Amino acid sequence: GAVVSQHPSWVICKSGTSVKIECRSLDFQATTMFWYRQFPKQSLMLMATSNEGSKATYEQGVEKDKFLINHASLTLSTLTVTSAHPEDSSFYICSARDLPSGSSGYEQYFGPGTRLTVT
Amino acid sequence: QKEVEQDPGPLSVPEGAIVSLNCTYSNSAFQYFMWYRQYSRKGPELLMYTYSSGNKEDGRFTAQVDKSSKYISLFIRDSQPSDSATYLCAITPSGTYKYIFGTGTRLKVLA
Repeated sequence: GAVVSQHPSWVICKSGTSVKIECRSLDFQATTMFWYRQFPKQSLMLMATSNEGSKATYEQGVEKDKFLINHASLTLSTLTVTSAHPEDSSFYICSARDLPSGSSGYEQYFGPGTRLTVT
Repeated sequence: QKEVEQDPGPLSVPEGAIVSLNCTYSNSAFQYFMWYRQYSRKGPELLMYTYSSGNKEDGRFTAQVDKSSKYISLFIRDSQPSDSATYLCAITPSGTYKYIFGTGTRLKVLA
């Protein structure tokens, strides 16, 4: 249980274009989803927190107009990188928090990640 | 001072060894403690979570929390080459579901 998928797993795009990444919880409903960014050999940096049906909360220093997050349902969140530039190239990972049914409610389950390369 | 400190390693051990991975944190209000394993180019996988001081065991893994010292540990018994990965501690501040991650420790178990 607690499986999270991401699509695509790898994408190359040209500078100036937009890219959408999907995050789905496959076997549970996720009240909250998180988006992280990870550079090589570094830890995960939280970009934003999204709750179903409400606006995402962005971490300090993250441009909300550049990284658009939509959490349309309890199983789907999307991250759109708008007007991508080479410095946006990174590994983007989403996670989902399970509803507190027998668990602590604090566990996050991560997707496999999406590698974005902007040329 | 970082809120969560973790030695980045790399840590190399022979197969079968007991591995000890550690994190320290600065804020005594932190309440939930998680350990994740991340293989290269993959998403992190939850290994264990705990919220109270003491030990929690699951198979070859034991998570230990010492809130008085603000110190958490993950022990891996009978380590295997397949345990070679980066191990991340994650801690939640009180009143939030957000994680603060350690930098991760790269572990290599040699056959």
